[in-house]
Amino acid sequence: GNSVTQMEGPVTLSEEAFLTINCTYTATGYPSLFWYVQYPGEGLQLLLKATKADDKGSNKGFEATYRKETTSFHLEKGSVQVSDSAVYFCALSAGAAGNKLTFGGGTRVLVKP
Amino acid sequence: GAVVSQHPSRVICKSGTSVKIECRSLDFQATTMFWYRQFPKQSLMLMATSNEGSKATYEQGVEKDKFLINHASLTLSTLTVTSAHPEDSSFYICSAPRAESGPEAFFGQGTRLTVV
Repeated sequence: GNSVTQMEGPVTLSEEAFLTINCTYTATGYPSLFWYVQYPGEGLQLLLKATKADDKGSNKGFEATYRKETTSFHLEKGSVQVSDSAVYFCALSAGAAGNKLTFGGGTRVLVKP
Repeated sequence: GAVVSQHPSRVICKSGTSVKIECRSLDFQATTMFWYRQFPKQSLMLMATSNEGSKATYEQGVEKDKFLINHASLTLSTLTVTSAHPEDSSFYICSAPRAESGPEAFFGQGTRLTVV
């Protein structure tokens, strides 16, 4: 079956530090990969996505590259802000469009001023 | 982008009562919607797939008689937690894919259910 593994948190950083959250996956076929962000008390928002190998998703300074050879989709941001404090979820969708998502365990990030 | 609205955002109910949560796709039709449950500081676990005009498909271990799902129209799915107990307290969130958007899913704001 499909699975997503991401690094456990919490991750505590100072403002302007570099952030990396590792994510690896197991899936049959060629899944689409996503990073979702959940701010305190809110639902999930799509942060970025990649639908095929070597695609790079980017948004709000965050980037992730779909690496088929290493089955990874690591999230990076070069300079974090306090407002980036949230829980980040790596997820995949395999099969037909609109298929259900398989989530990683989530990584809580806390950015201190 | 597509908008999915979930209501209520928070609800507190007494043990033994039932609670209905609504999930609406506001600007697109959704023949399928997904219901997830999130325990504190944990990931989202898929509970069931809601199918318009037919029975929902439940994941293993989810009690279909306890978590009633109805998808009566192309823009509305409801999740009813019946005879709620404190252990049902959780964050419930729905999502809906839109055909034009490919594999991306659009999430509602979530519902924080507290059973006292």
